[in-house]
Amino acid sequence: DIQMTQSPSSLSASVGDRVTITCRASQGIRNDLGWYQQKPGKAPKRLIYAASSLQSGVPSRFSGSGSGTEFTLTISSLQPEDFATYYCLQHNSYPFTFGGGTKVEIK
Amino acid sequence: EVQLVESGGGVVQPGGSLRLSCAASGFTFTSYWMHWVRQVPGEGLVWVARIIGDGSGPRYADSVKGRFTISRDNAKNTVYLQMSNLRAEDTAVYYCTRGYVDFWGQGTLVTVSS
Repeated sequence: DIQMTQSPSSLSASVGDRVTITCRASQGIRNDLGWYQQKPGKAPKRLIYAASSLQSGVPSRFSGSGSGTEFTLTISSLQPEDFATYYCLQHNSYPFTFGGGTKVEIK
Repeated sequence: EVQLVESGGGVVQPGGSLRLSCAASGFTFTSYWMHWVRQVPGEGLVWVARIIGDGSGPRYADSVKGRFTISRDNAKNTVYLQMSNLRAEDTAVYYCTRGYVDFWGQGTLVTVSS
């Protein structure tokens, strides 16, 4: 199985800060990766697909990069509604696997 | 508008069975793989199972293989997860998703407890 190591597991940031979250795959997954945002009590929402493509309707302050084994989600200027937990997901091979999550909290 | 609506969750005793349903609308159902993903409250997301558009090629996580069965009824635009021999560790919110996991349903809670 492909392991997805996500870091950090949590972070504290202020509104307006630039935030970066990383996922590392245990083997190459090309660009078969998505990023998701989940708020308490809600289903996850996809932000980024194919590692760097912005999902329709998602604000442009979210961006993704990477290929192979190293991937990054960046929020260029954190907004109050961005405080949530973020997950990466690889869909290169079965079983699909998620990163452990990054909880973004208010500083 | 794409919609995925799960149902069938509830409380079941260890060793029991439950069938979850996911009704899909707003897209061409047969064109999409469908998946189940689960999440223990307060923990991370875990992929459970996948089925291809024509109902073939089911795939499962090792943790549920031999106990869970994914199926679909394309005439009803519905995907199912039949869960048997349930264990306490199967307690989770179960989400239905499609394709490369773009849209998600709201989830249904399964609690395995005596």
